[in-house]
Amino acid sequence: AQKITQTQPGMFVQEKEAVTLDCTYDTSDPSYGLFWYKQPSSGEMIFLIYQGSYDQQNATEGRYSLNFQKARKSANLVISASQLGDSAMYFCAMREGWNQFYFGTGTSLTVIP
Amino acid sequence: NAGVTQTPKFQVLKTGQSMTLQCAQDMNHNSMYWYRQDPGMGLRLIYYSASEGTTDKGEVPNGYNVSRLNKREFSLRLESAAPSQTSVYFCASSYDSPPPQYFGPGTRLTVT
Repeated sequence: AQKITQTQPGMFVQEKEAVTLDCTYDTSDPSYGLFWYKQPSSGEMIFLIYQGSYDQQNATEGRYSLNFQKARKSANLVISASQLGDSAMYFCAMREGWNQFYFGTGTSLTVIP
Repeated sequence: NAGVTQTPKFQVLKTGQSMTLQCAQDMNHNSMYWYRQDPGMGLRLIYYSASEGTTDKGEVPNGYNVSRLNKREFSLRLESAAPSQTSVYFCASSYDSPPPQYFGPGTRLTVT
């Protein structure tokens, strides 16, 4: 079974609108972490946001928020007020155990002016 | 403060050749990682090192070896390259789990 599933290969959003990128995960480990990374066309991986499995509140970092629904095993990324520079690939990832990391296949986001 | 650096940026190998990908970080991080990224498959963990002198297998270790030379450096070696190892390779580091992991710029490897 896939550890991380991103079901949206591509998404479009109008500039200044909010967008939600979906991510579901699969683990039986009670302690895990969930991440989102951005990969622009230049290729570098940029860390955006992190949610620990024991964190009570949803993580937020500026325009990024992580909608963590533990019972549903989902960790969706919400980007508010989209900007043209947000156009990129977005990867959801999970840390299981101490150092095992699993990445999803990514969602390509295009922001339309 | 260069962060995570990788050399080379690009490499073309013939099947059966060997090579070592170099990675160094100047952030005094304990943990270092090697990933490969293939189209449509996201990143997959090859090996990681939780501290100097220790290494452990990730999801796809076959065909690779690693060395944690010191706290700064973590190298990935392909002993006998195969076309299936054509990929973009990323090195990353972090203080300790959890995050964040800081990634290097990647090495694009083609095996013909």
